[in-house]
Amino acid sequence: QVHLVQSGGEVKMPGASVKVSCKASGYRFTSYGISWVRQAPGQGLEWMGWISVYNGNTKYAQKVQGRITMTSDTSTSTAYMELRSLRSDDTAVYYCARDETGPYYFDYWGQGTLVTVSS
Amino acid sequence: EIVMTQSPVTLSVSPGERVTLSCRASQSVSRNLAWYQQQPGQAPRLLIYAASTRATGTPARFSGSGSGTEFTLTISSLQSEDFAVYYCQHYDNWPYAFGQGTKLEIK
Repeated sequence: QVHLVQSGGEVKMPGASVKVSCKASGYRFTSYGISWVRQAPGQGLEWMGWISVYNGNTKYAQKVQGRITMTSDTSTSTAYMELRSLRSDDTAVYYCARDETGPYYFDYWGQGTLVTVSS
Repeated sequence: EIVMTQSPVTLSVSPGERVTLSCRASQSVSRNLAWYQQQPGQAPRLLIYAASTRATGTPARFSGSGSGTEFTLTISSLQSEDFAVYYCQHYDNWPYAFGQGTKLEIK
């Protein structure tokens, strides 16, 4: 069965960076993509970006373009999302979700990682 | 960028009732539309994709319809476990976008 297991919660100072991991199992990692979605406290879902695990191609939301980098390590079936220059409004639960090699829906989700940005 | 708008924002209903949630896209997304259910403190769960195809494990009381810019999610007879927040999402192209969500509350 498919599982996406994310790293634990983080507390960061404004201006710092955070790197969240998402370890996949139960399927061929390189045959799918991974999207990252975040949810601020009490708010809705916001798509942040996508990575093709197959070739490393990425697509990022304009709102975080320039501050975000998505990568993957096929040797460990792990995807990563790094967000830099953190601000208080980056406080959110960050989810990874299995995507496809092209635009697609999210059929499996990680459990979420709470990132808190506070001085 | 395509903007997704859901209505209503909140819906108070009784168990056993039939309910219809709406989702509108600012431009055509064909049938590239998914619905997700989110329970408090949990990750979203895929219910419907391709506008009307139930995902594995989605009960038959959930049905989706629509194409282009207008979509609906219908729950034929609300069960206690259906009280949650529902999101639509287009995947017609990047950037993806979610609607703001509809919260189903117990009346």
